Amino acid sequence: SQTIHQWPATLVQPVGSPLSLECTVEGTSNPNLYWYRQAAGRGLQLLFYSVGIGQISSEVPQNLSASRPQDRQFILSSKKLLLSDSGFYLCAWSVGPAEAFFGQGTRLTVV
Amino acid sequence: QKEVEQDPGPLSVPEGAIVSLNCTYSNSAFQYFMWYRQYSRKGPELLMYTYSSGNKEDGRFTAQVDKSSKYISLFIRDSQPSDSATYLCAMNSIYNQGGKLIFGQGTELSVKP
Repeated sequence: SQTIHQWPATLVQPVGSPLSLECTVEGTSNPNLYWYRQAAGRGLQLLFYSVGIGQISSEVPQNLSASRPQDRQFILSSKKLLLSDSGFYLCAWSVGPAEAFFGQGTRLTVV
Repeated sequence: QKEVEQDPGPLSVPEGAIVSLNCTYSNSAFQYFMWYRQYSRKGPELLMYTYSSGNKEDGRFTAQVDKSSKYISLFIRDSQPSDSATYLCAMNSIYNQGGKLIFGQGTELSVKP
C-alpha cells in the first residue's frame, strides 16, 4: 500500500534562517507531488506541484522553492524565512486527476 | 468569483443529527469530486470520491453531485462527536491530468454530545 512521509511535524525557525521540508512517498511510481500551505482557519493554497523528476511548477510567487531530486521525493526550501512564511505545510501525492493523498503536515512557526 | 465556493461555517449540530455540507462550483469541465475530512493539526483524509454525477454511499456518508446545478453535497447520518472536523470539497477537470485539485475553503463542523 502507498504511504506518504512528511517531516518534521513541527518546526520553529528564526526570521532569516533557511528551511528544508522533506516529503517521500512509498508504494507508487511516478506520482504527481504537491506542496500546499494552509493558514489558520483557511483553505489550502497550492504552492508547487510536480509531474516528474526535475519538473516543478510554481503556483504563486513567494519566498519558497521546491525540488524533486528523486521520483518519490519532494523538498520545500527557503533561503531566508519571513514571518509571513509561518503556516501549516502539507505534502500530497496523486496518480491522476482525482484523489490526492496527504501527509500529516508540518507546522512552521517563524519567530 | 472563486471556482469553488464553500460556506466556512462553523456548523454546530447535536449528536445524531443529519449533517448537510455543500459546495458550488463554476467550471462545467469538473468531473472529479472529492470530500476530505481534516482533524485539527492533521493532514486532510480522503472520505469520498465521485466521478461525474450521481450519488455514492459509504456507511453513514453519502456524496451527491448535481452537475446541472454545479452543486455537490456530503450528507452525514447519525452524526457523532468524532465527526467534528473541517470538511473540504475538492474537484478537478478531465483536462487537467496533472491533478491540481481545486479546493473549497472548508466547513468547520462541531457535533455536540
